[in-house]
Amino acid sequence: DTGVSQDPRHKITKRGQNVTFRCDPISEHNRLYWYRQTLGQGPEFLTYFQNEAQLEKSRLLSDRFSAERPKGSFSTLEIQRTEQGDSAMYLCASSPDRVGNQPQHFGDGTRLSIL
Amino acid sequence: DAKTTQPPSMDCAEGRAANLPCNHSTISGNEYVYWYRQIHSQGPQYIIHGLKNNETNEMASLIITEDRKSSTLILPHATLRDTAVYYCIVSVPRGNEKLTFGTGTRLTIIP
Repeated sequence: DTGVSQDPRHKITKRGQNVTFRCDPISEHNRLYWYRQTLGQGPEFLTYFQNEAQLEKSRLLSDRFSAERPKGSFSTLEIQRTEQGDSAMYLCASSPDRVGNQPQHFGDGTRLSIL
Repeated sequence: DAKTTQPPSMDCAEGRAANLPCNHSTISGNEYVYWYRQIHSQGPQYIIHGLKNNETNEMASLIITEDRKSSTLILPHATLRDTAVYYCIVSVPRGNEKLTFGTGTRLTIIP
């Protein structure tokens, strides 16, 4: 399978704990995106990388959230001191960096539940 | 980004064509129309996109009105597996750093 891969698929943790998610984009896709989706809503943009550079961050990305893409390949999203409101599906997407209209391709997400 | 308006839900009989409308009356000249769908517990799946002309691929057809203020996604022969939430999004292609999803249309295919 050469699609976007996310790990883990599900994460249950207690409030106040730190969690880290991983995303492996489609090979050779330079652009990588993180979104968050709560129940009944469409995905909301969190942040975007081109290669290893984080080029845009949403106001949704509070200082408890940090995303990295150290070698321009896989990315991690860490949430520190989790809160109840962090419960959501965290989606990763990737796209190639070519001129023209290249759609984003999504993984199946990591579902986070805060107890 | 331009906003889109979609009906919250639709039903379609299995085997019939499903026509999903989208209104994007404030679309700019360089903004594309993208369609994604999301099946329960999965990530959004790209379906099709277009700028001005009608487009067709193996999954669907996209009809964009001449004034570009609305579009219709057509699934020619709907199957039960097409039951999903369908999102219509407008986005500038080169600057597609973020997709702005609405709440979409929940399409239910009726056996």
